[in-house]
Amino acid sequence: SQTIHQWPATLVQPVGSPLSLECTVEGTSNPNLYWYRQAAGRGLQLLFYSVGIGQISSEVPQNLSASRPQDRQFILSSKKLLLSDSGFYLCAWSRGFLKGGTTGNTIYFGEGSWLTVV
Amino acid sequence: AQSVTQLDSHVSVSEGTPVLLRCNYSSSYSPSLFWYVQHPNKGLQLLLKYTSAATLVKGINGFEAEFKKSETSFHLTKPSAHMSDAAEYFCVVSDRGGSARQLTFGSGTQLTVLP
Repeated sequence: SQTIHQWPATLVQPVGSPLSLECTVEGTSNPNLYWYRQAAGRGLQLLFYSVGIGQISSEVPQNLSASRPQDRQFILSSKKLLLSDSGFYLCAWSRGFLKGGTTGNTIYFGEGSWLTVV
Repeated sequence: AQSVTQLDSHVSVSEGTPVLLRCNYSSSYSPSLFWYVQHPNKGLQLLLKYTSAATLVKGINGFEAEFKKSETSFHLTKPSAHMSDAAEYFCVVSDRGGSARQLTFGSGTQLTVLP
């Protein structure tokens, strides 16, 4: 079975410090990978997605970046955190571009990382 | 373009009574629709999904949802609420059942279950 791991679970960082959130997927190959952010009282916002190693697409301009150094590893980073970066970050994966079937478009989430920038 | 509206930001029910969480969507194509649940300090868990098969979809933990194209709705229901159902619920739409990067999330409904 497939699993997704995300860490750290909670993080308190000062403004201007760097950030690294890591996510790995097991039990599948060539997954689509995603980083979402959930700000307080709001829905999920897609930040980045990746369809393969080294391929990153950004959905919104921001202070964050993402990298995919290996097939099943996805990293969210920042060089200098802002107060507005606080929130709940979720890594997710879905199977590659499959047409048909009932599972090709399901997205599976990690347990999330709470980031508080102080 | 696609969008999803969760009509209630908060719903409060008593334990043992029915649950109704409302969701309306708009989509240019035949959509796939999902309900996810998020318990405090936890990630999102898939409850159920509709992908153009049966319009009444059964999910985990006794939840079900009915796809009504004429009403553009996908409301989530459960006959009898349990204390463990207290969580935030997200309705999600994807055009054409395509790539998950095209998912649009609703703003969520916080469900409170009273003893």
